[in-house]
Amino acid sequence: DTAVSQTPKYLVTQMGNDKSIKCEQNLGHDTMYWYKQDSKKFLKIMFSYNNKELIINETVPNRFSPKSPDKAHLNLHINSLELGDSAVYFCASSRNWDTEAFFGQGTRLTVV
Amino acid sequence: QQQVKQSPQSLIVQKGGIPIINCAYENTAFDYFPWYQQFPGKGPALLIAIRPDVSEKKEGRFTISFNKSAKQFSLHIMDSQPGDSATYFCAASSGGSYIPTFGRGTSLIVHP
Repeated sequence: DTAVSQTPKYLVTQMGNDKSIKCEQNLGHDTMYWYKQDSKKFLKIMFSYNNKELIINETVPNRFSPKSPDKAHLNLHINSLELGDSAVYFCASSRNWDTEAFFGQGTRLTVV
Repeated sequence: QQQVKQSPQSLIVQKGGIPIINCAYENTAFDYFPWYQQFPGKGPALLIAIRPDVSEKKEGRFTISFNKSAKQFSLHIMDSQPGDSATYFCAASSGGSYIPTFGRGTSLIVHP
């Protein structure tokens, strides 16, 4: 069983579209994250969600919004996609801020 | 955003060599320092982590050295193997903060 799963694995879409990436964890963790990894492998934290508290990295455009229907899911919605949004997006979860984070396999988003 | 500076950006060693990756931080509130390993097409996975109350931690061939006064920590890989070829990230987080900060990554290649 996959601990952190995200779908789709690949997403190709046109500029201006709105898209969502889904993430589910079956570890019973309280904290979930979204990361963006650019072409140079830099991992940038976008959001963390802990016990219904959303912590936002202030550099993330408000076109990006996380939605958590329940503790096991944290989906990422992106509005008005831009070319610069092309990257690999990783979902992750952890039991606490100072414990191991488990990452999903990533979603490669390509905006054309 | 708080930064963790990681070097070198890339590293090439022969099998059996001891690659060393260094990280430096500024925020003295950081108190959890994990290292993640990422293979192509996969999400990062925790390799080893340390807290500032110890100066060294060893797990198998991987060792973290921590220098609290210098605000530096490093990863040593003993008897490196071609299977260790991957990208390595250091990270840091502070008590109660759910926004971990990652270094920019080191691409390690171990030649047979």
